[in-house]
Amino acid sequence: QVQLQESGPGLVKPSQTLSLTCTVSGGSISGGTFYWSWIRQPAGKGLEWIGRIYPKGITNYNPSLRGRVTISIDTSENQFSLKVNSVTAADTAVYYCARELSTSFDSWGHGTLVTVSS
Amino acid sequence: QSVLTQPPSVSGAPGQRVTISCTGSRANIGAGYDVHWYQRLPGAAPRLLIKNNNDRPSGVPDRFSGSKSGTSASLAITGLQAEDEADYYCQSYDSGLSGWDVVFGGGTKLTVL
Repeated sequence: QVQLQESGPGLVKPSQTLSLTCTVSGGSISGGTFYWSWIRQPAGKGLEWIGRIYPKGITNYNPSLRGRVTISIDTSENQFSLKVNSVTAADTAVYYCARELSTSFDSWGHGTLVTVSS
Repeated sequence: QSVLTQPPSVSGAPGQRVTISCTGSRANIGAGYDVHWYQRLPGAAPRLLIKNNNDRPSGVPDRFSGSKSGTSASLAITGLQAEDEADYYCQSYDSGLSGWDVVFGGGTKLTVL
């Protein structure tokens, strides 16, 4: 059973960069036909897909966030990461990492709250 | 504003049947992309409930079922139980700029009366 765990700072100052890492255990990040995504949920709002990375490093991003987001992968550490530049209060949310199989997300991390505040 | 539209809330008494709708457009559900449903219990991560419109992953009770028609999809829950009280989200793809954009509904809060 694959497990995902997000890690990173819970507080980021406005205009700085939000950085999170997702560690995958119970399976290889480069095995199978999986994609690896970041999804977030601001308080009181719905889920928002941020972007995905394929094991070979190809990325797709939500058009509304493109330009501020970078997703990378480290297959040697079985991890993938998220960076969001120039954050504002609107980036405050619970951030989830998830595994995408076919077109659905079959495994999720527990989520980590990131607050943007000075 | 979410790309897929869901009612903000639904409710039902124990044992009853409830449905949650998910309305999209010709750019997503209507383009033939599959619809998936997730259940998010309070304080927990979302859990895949229905995949590929009407397929239940292992461990999901058969009280949950999904359907899709045209530009819309629905989640039905029969024999409602108190433990079903949660937020439910639909998800599909959208033929946006990349053609592989993931879109979600805004979520529906199910209250078991």
